[in-house]
Amino acid sequence: QVPLQQWGAGLLKPSETLSLTCAVYGGSFSGHYWNWIRQPPGKGLEWIGEIDHGGSTNYNPSLKSRVTVSVDTSKNQFSLKLTSVTAADTAVYFCARGRKWVGGTRGHFDSWGQGTRVTVSS
Amino acid sequence: EIVLTQSPDFQSVTPKEKVTITCRASQNIGPGLHWYQQKPDQSPKLLIKSASQSFSGVPSRFSGSGSGTDFTLTIDGLEAEDAATYYCHQSSSLPQTFGQGTKVEIK
Repeated sequence: QVPLQQWGAGLLKPSETLSLTCAVYGGSFSGHYWNWIRQPPGKGLEWIGEIDHGGSTNYNPSLKSRVTVSVDTSKNQFSLKLTSVTAADTAVYFCARGRKWVGGTRGHFDSWGQGTRVTVSS
Repeated sequence: EIVLTQSPDFQSVTPKEKVTITCRASQNIGPGLHWYQQKPDQSPKLLIKSASQSFSGVPSRFSGSGSGTDFTLTIDGLEAEDAATYYCHQSSSLPQTFGQGTKVEIK
């Protein structure tokens, strides 16, 4: 496990862009997938998307048109942008480290950020 | 998209009892199923990886089994600190998905 610390704006108006960053302290940045996951109030977990150290991304089709995940390997950080937010995007957003096996197969999430509560309200 | 269905949704259990939570996948996912524990206002914590492998530091009362489409998380001898919501997660196919969660309450 490695510590992940995340930050970003917690209150947005409809149509604005959500922007969060997650810093990775310790461990190797390569050899893992770096993920964003969200949890609406009182509900379950939804995977948003992932990036590897080379910048290859995969997104949940339900959000793909609005999501961008990027990486800055020089700072050991990765970021999430979600455009045109609505009240339905109100949630706690988590960053998480995902295991990357040989051949690119995915595994478990072994390290999580502390979560950022994002509220979308006019 | 692979759908994970957990049962039950809620369980009220006496300390020292055995708890069994199941997770059924809509398609064969091999061993790519993992279990997490989440307490209120906390991040999820990994308990079991790849269906049956205990994660480092997790108490031995937590165990997992299964493969393919049917998986089980067992807590053998529930303790008060185990009150939480438990989620299964599949990483075999994109998009990655989670079960809806099982809330375990201590009687």
